Amino acid sequence: GAGVSQSPSNKVTEKGKDVELRCDPISGHTALYWYRQSLGQGLEFLIYFQGNSAPDKSGLPSDRFSAERTGGSVSTLTIQRTQQEDSAVYLCASSTREGEKLFFGSGTQLSVL
Amino acid sequence: QKEVEQNSGPLSVPEGAIASLNCTYSDRGSQSFFWYRQYSGKSPELIMSIYSNGDKEDGRFTAQLNKASQYVSLLIRDSQPSDSATYLCAVNDNQGGKLIFGQGTELSVKP
Repeated sequence: GAGVSQSPSNKVTEKGKDVELRCDPISGHTALYWYRQSLGQGLEFLIYFQGNSAPDKSGLPSDRFSAERTGGSVSTLTIQRTQQEDSAVYLCASSTREGEKLFFGSGTQLSVL
Repeated sequence: QKEVEQNSGPLSVPEGAIASLNCTYSDRGSQSFFWYRQYSGKSPELIMSIYSNGDKEDGRFTAQLNKASQYVSLLIRDSQPSDSATYLCAVNDNQGGKLIFGQGTELSVKP
């Protein structure tokens, strides 16, 4: 596609439920990133994938968070046993290579009740 | 902990004035620097990238980089109300591949 696509755009869930967020990067982009942005805050790095290399998971806040990237393209961010503090906008971005300019999707607004 | 620091603002300037946004970073090895604009409720969009010391101009925007001082800035000339947004500074992590973002500076351009 022309841009980074994320789904769903909004997700409301109950505390303790699992959620999956999806990201489809720009075709040909080898690097894919997940960031989180809480209301009025900056972007918090979560994880990134570069080609076939092992992902950099250094930003994941707890073991309830995991992500995978299948076939070097689509990525899924999974949050298990959601907590209210997980409520935020989850942004996916892709780039032609790591450390380069990022192109962001429109984000998933996650609300944990 | 590698950091990128910005004044949170809000920075308020009158229409037609120059807005100056500043950013400092802690990783001396960083090589790539970016400015993103984020309108309320929207995703960040890239407006400038800079890799070498000095100035880089693109229309009304000028990015300035001083690696010795670990400082990068963005100047917006002839500011317009449509420039009102949060401006995020991002710096690459030289030992990894991620971009580290500052907290953003909120800019308000008053008609």
